[in-house]
Amino acid sequence: KAGVTQTPRYLIKTRGQQVTLSCSPISGHRSVSWYQQTPGQGLQFLFEYFSETQRNKGNFPGRFSGRQFSNSRSEMNVSTLELGDSALYLCASRSGGTGELFFGEGSRLTVL
Amino acid sequence: GIQVEQSPPDLILQEGANSTLRCNFSDSVNNLQWFHQNPWGQLINLFYIPSGTKQNGRLSATTVATERYSLLYISSSQTTDSGVYFCAVDTGRRALTFGSGTRLQVQP
Repeated sequence: KAGVTQTPRYLIKTRGQQVTLSCSPISGHRSVSWYQQTPGQGLQFLFEYFSETQRNKGNFPGRFSGRQFSNSRSEMNVSTLELGDSALYLCASRSGGTGELFFGEGSRLTVL
Repeated sequence: GIQVEQSPPDLILQEGANSTLRCNFSDSVNNLQWFHQNPWGQLINLFYIPSGTKQNGRLSATTVATERYSLLYISSSQTTDSGVYFCAVDTGRRALTFGSGTRLQVQP
């Protein structure tokens, strides 16, 4: 069974630009969530989607948004990038049976 | 929100030594997971253990939900065990709250 797939793995943007990250969950998993990891703040929850609906959102500004498609694939978007948005963005899919989360390899964003 | 504290923050071991990592949490949880973050950033699942004891090879974990702590045991450590170990909990909001991690370095 394929794991959680995230693209792109690495990207560099400049301040003010926007970025879109993609995540394909494990086959059969309908819940996808996103996390941000920075050296200063650690791992923080961004949002969670299930059946194309955002069910929960972390404490991030409105520049951070996401969506989920009917095939459970998800995208997150960050607009008007700031230097502080440089981070590893991790996507996770949740097993419907146990609730266990499985993470992808992450997308490492650098904002210059 | 829930607080998750991991100890120790840093640990240096010689190959072959045993270690215990601790995770304390401040509220009832319905999900607790231990992860190992590899050098490339991926979080590798070690245990899904909201309560009880599990073992997987040289690793085992115990969660005492009533006392709000979990322990991860690593026996006969190897250099490949090096990295950061995270404990993460969910109180039912379908959002994991992570501890700050324990950075483990196993020296040959």
